[in-house]
Amino acid sequence: QSALTQPASVSGSPGQSITISCTGTSSDVGGYNYVSWYQQHPGKAPKLMIYDVSNRPSGVSNRFSGSKSGNTASLTISGLQAEDEADYYCSSYTSSSTLEVVFGGGTKLTVL
Amino acid sequence: EVQLVESGGGLVQPGGSLRLSCAASGFTFSSYWMHWVRQAPGKGLVWVSRINSDGSSTSYADSVKGRFTISRDNAKNTLYLQMNSLRAEDTAVYYCARETRITMTDWGQGTLVTVSS
Repeated sequence: QSALTQPASVSGSPGQSITISCTGTSSDVGGYNYVSWYQQHPGKAPKLMIYDVSNRPSGVSNRFSGSKSGNTASLTISGLQAEDEADYYCSSYTSSSTLEVVFGGGTKLTVL
Repeated sequence: EVQLVESGGGLVQPGGSLRLSCAASGFTFSSYWMHWVRQAPGKGLVWVSRINSDGSSTSYADSVKGRFTISRDNAKNTLYLQMNSLRAEDTAVYYCARETRITMTDWGQGTLVTVSS
């Protein structure tokens, strides 16, 4: 089972918006509305930012939003702030017989 | 407040064994499915294993199947990962995570396992 495909890096200036894509297949991203996004700062545990494609947990800024079209999910961060600089991972439930959850390879967000 | 605290990591020789623990608090542990996820140094997150709430159902990634065993003690609010026949490629930070409706909502801080001679 291959990981979901994310760009290795994205960047943006403070105040701008960026979008990170996450491409899978009809067996994962395209087949289920169980896509999540995690933020990970260096040396820290992942933190849930988006679940079920577009829902934000309590306490997560509304600058973070998620969407999905076909086999590709997207995370958009608006009004970029310095503290948004981190690694971001998407994940999805999968119907693969060998895995239950598949992650993307991760995207390094740099705030310029 | 949900807390997950992993322990048991360390340096082990190839072919050796290690048992990781994850102590849970702040929620009804016996009601939740739990996962182990690992992250090799400088690499991404990789799902390892899952156990249902009463321990009757488990699943594993192909890379660890037959070598790792996930289990839980609901009386002790603790999740375990028994790792046997360890290989260099098992070197990683191992996280336990609580699942809520197909989402890993809460994560521990991780414990580092290093497999090296």
